[in-house]
Amino acid sequence: QSALTQPASVSGSPGQSITISCTGTSSDVGTHDLVSWYQQLPGNVPKLIIYEVTKRPSGVSIRFSGSKSGRTASLTISGLQAEDEGDYFCASYGGSSNLLFGGGTKLTVL
Amino acid sequence: QLQLQESGPGLVKPSETLSLMCTVSGGSINNGRYYWVWIRQSPGKGLEWIGSIYYRGTAYYNPSLKSRVTMSVHTSSNQFSLKLTSVTASDSAMYYCATAVPTLWYFDLWGRGTLVNVSS
Repeated sequence: QSALTQPASVSGSPGQSITISCTGTSSDVGTHDLVSWYQQLPGNVPKLIIYEVTKRPSGVSIRFSGSKSGRTASLTISGLQAEDEGDYFCASYGGSSNLLFGGGTKLTVL
Repeated sequence: QLQLQESGPGLVKPSETLSLMCTVSGGSINNGRYYWVWIRQSPGKGLEWIGSIYYRGTAYYNPSLKSRVTMSVHTSSNQFSLKLTSVTASDSAMYYCATAVPTLWYFDLWGRGTLVNVSS
């Protein structure tokens, strides 16, 4: 199975909202509500920010939200802040005990 | 509070076996709450799931790496390990150990990672 497809980069100004898409297939994103999102700030370890499509771990800002429609999952960051700049990765259970990651999206806060 | 720490050689020669260990502290590796996971990230690239193992030994591997990967749980030392055989330069990466909630396939706790370079 191929990796999930994410845009290479997105950008936005402080205070704006941005959305990062994550497109898979009917075998992974389209079938399983097991999509997660990870934030990796420069020089840092990836951090879980969304799991099971829409759920936020304790301590993660409510500015981060997840959704899914068909084969595409999305991460929305509202009220963009300079500290949000970094890389964002989606992941999905791919069936048959396999896990797929997206290629990652670099978020630039203008 | 559960913590993970990777360890192992930072340099491995091509065709040899990469061996890494992850030490679990702040909790028992055989409490049954987690799958124990390895994930890697090539320099400047994305994340790649390598595999997950339960304390009883049930393991799941990335199909693209399955023929070269073995994961094990070492309950006496509260550690789990990764062995990757016949390595090439493309296996150079930051290797992270992590935890996953069984059946939910998300990774909620990560180690700081250990950088492995494959070079002669």
